[in-house]
Amino acid sequence: EAGVAQSPRYKIIEKRQSVAFWCNPISGHATLYWYQQILGQGPKLLIQFQNNGVVDDSQLPKDRFSAERLKGVDSTLKIQPAKLEDSAVYLCASSLIGTNTEAFFGQGTRLTVV
Amino acid sequence: AQSVTQLGSHVSVSEGALVLLRCNYSSSVPPYLFWYVQYPNQGLQLLLKYTSAATLVKGINGFEAEFKKSETSFHLTKPSAHMRDAAEYFCAVSDPWQAGTALIFGKGTTLSVSS
Repeated sequence: EAGVAQSPRYKIIEKRQSVAFWCNPISGHATLYWYQQILGQGPKLLIQFQNNGVVDDSQLPKDRFSAERLKGVDSTLKIQPAKLEDSAVYLCASSLIGTNTEAFFGQGTRLTVV
Repeated sequence: AQSVTQLGSHVSVSEGALVLLRCNYSSSVPPYLFWYVQYPNQGLQLLLKYTSAATLVKGINGFEAEFKKSETSFHLTKPSAHMRDAAEYFCAVSDPWQAGTALIFGKGTTLSVSS
């Protein structure tokens, strides 16, 4: 079974530039999550999709971050414009629908904003 | 709101020694609890999960955790550490009454294993 695929693995941009990350979840997983992991901290949820609808985006900085999941499969997360404090690893995860289902994580995209 | 607290941001043990990583949760009802491991430059991998069945949960790589409601704890243990166990470990919680809610993670504990 293929895992959660993310690209790119690494990205370096200058502040005020824009960047986009891509995620392909495990086939059949209706739920998709984007987490932000700042160095030395645990992952923090940015947005959760169920199929192509948003379940929770309460912690997404909507003035600069946006995400979409067209057709309920792949997802993209965009930052525009980027700030220095956006430097982090962006993790995508997917899961089946349920109360105790495991979330499977991709390898993440390490973003450095200089 | 649910939360988890991991006591000790860094734990160091010798190879062969007991590993104990602490996690306490804050929730009005017993939540679902998870332990994940993250190796350098990798995503998170599930070690084990508690979902209100047996209170002692066995996971992969020889790890286990015990849910103690009276102490609101879900500590992770391994009887004998191996060099390959060196990684970052995260405790996470989810709401059992709301299907599909996202995991809330602790800040993580870095485990170092010396020979």
